[in-house]
Amino acid sequence: KAGVTQTPRYLIKTRGQQVTLSCSPISGHRSVSWYQQTPGQGLQFLFEYFSETQRNKGNFPGRFSGRQFSNSRSEMNVSTLELGDSALYLCASSLGWLPNTGELFFGEGSRLTVL
Amino acid sequence: AQTVTQSQPEMSVQEAETVTLSCTYDTSENNYYLFWYKQPPSRQMILVIRQEAYKQQNATENRFSVNFQKAAKSFSLKISDSQLGDTAMYFCAFSPNAGKSTFGDGTTLTVKP
Repeated sequence: KAGVTQTPRYLIKTRGQQVTLSCSPISGHRSVSWYQQTPGQGLQFLFEYFSETQRNKGNFPGRFSGRQFSNSRSEMNVSTLELGDSALYLCASSLGWLPNTGELFFGEGSRLTVL
Repeated sequence: AQTVTQSQPEMSVQEAETVTLSCTYDTSENNYYLFWYKQPPSRQMILVIRQEAYKQQNATENRFSVNFQKAAKSFSLKISDSQLGDTAMYFCAFSPNAGKSTFGDGTTLTVKP
């Protein structure tokens, strides 16, 4: 079974631009979560999608948005990029329904650098 | 809101020795899951071990075991016979039956030859 796939793996943007990151979950998984990982802040939860609906949301500004498609693939978008948005963005998938053990399966991440 | 605290930003251990990573959490939930994830350098995060809060018995996976103290809200990870491949950042995580997972800030473990 294929794992969680994130694209692109690396990207460089400049301040003010926008970026879209993609995540394909493990087949059969309907929940996709996004996390921002930075050296100083650890793993910060962005949002979770289940069956095309945002089920949970973290404390990030409205510049961060996401969506999920009917095939469970998810995208996240960051608009008006700031230097502080430089981070590793991790996508994780899980079954999403009971029994929900909460175990997450992570992709390799998309490393965003904002210049 | 749940919080997860890992009080040891960095730790080191000699190969073949035992090391314990600490984790405490705060929640008002009664049913939940706790996890330790491992993130090797430049590689993806993987699950090390999982503990269900309703189980009193501590989880064990080969050289990895936990000490789960529900009343104290403590969930430490013990790595026995440490190997060079155990060098990684370790994250403690909390997950209620439904909803997002909350992660600690991580502990960077270095296994020295």
